[in-house]
Amino acid sequence: GQNIDQPTEMTATEGAIVQINCTYQTSGFNGLFWYQQHAGEAPTFLSYNVLDGLEEKGRFSSFLSRSKGYSYLLLKELQMKDSASYLCAVRGGSNYQLIWGAGTKLIIKP
Amino acid sequence: EAQVTQNPRYLITVTGKKLTVTCSQNMNHEYMSWYRQDPGLGLRQIYYSMNVEVTDKGDVPEGYKVSRKEKRNFPLILESPSPNQTSLYFCASSLSFLETQYFGPGTRLLVL
Repeated sequence: GQNIDQPTEMTATEGAIVQINCTYQTSGFNGLFWYQQHAGEAPTFLSYNVLDGLEEKGRFSSFLSRSKGYSYLLLKELQMKDSASYLCAVRGGSNYQLIWGAGTKLIIKP
Repeated sequence: EAQVTQNPRYLITVTGKKLTVTCSQNMNHEYMSWYRQDPGLGLRQIYYSMNVEVTDKGDVPEGYKVSRKEKRNFPLILESPSPNQTSLYFCASSLSFLETQYFGPGTRLLVL
């Protein structure tokens, strides 16, 4: 079957660094996406990885290891506005549709 | 401004009363999709459309219908809503099905 696992909730301190992990099992793979979703709002695109390695975009970085079925999103210099859910999605399966994790709720404390 | 719009944003209805949620994008995207989001579950795809007049079922299509008569519009129809369709619904679009998807603001539906 197809499965994506993320921690349900994480807590971090303003100004610190946090790493949100995502592991996946899919029958095919054609890329992994990270989205940010504030409560009651639409998901917004953060990053895309299709090859192994680290993609850096300002305070946010995303890493992929295809052999391990593993990705992480790294958030640096945390700000209160980073309090949100972070969704991991894998394009896989026989028809390359997006398979979504349930999301990780990140709580930032002062 | 490039965007995906949905209407209505909030809707309360009763069991069995047909409703339509509209979705429109102004980015000339070929691919459009409908998702529902429920607490503790990931986004689940209801229907998707690769292009005009081409639609297909996602993971949870039961109780829903869609149509794609024009490139920009992809309405979601609930012919006979039931309480288990109470959810937060998102429309999304992308240049093609392999590209990054962009989401509308969401429609919160309550079926009594």
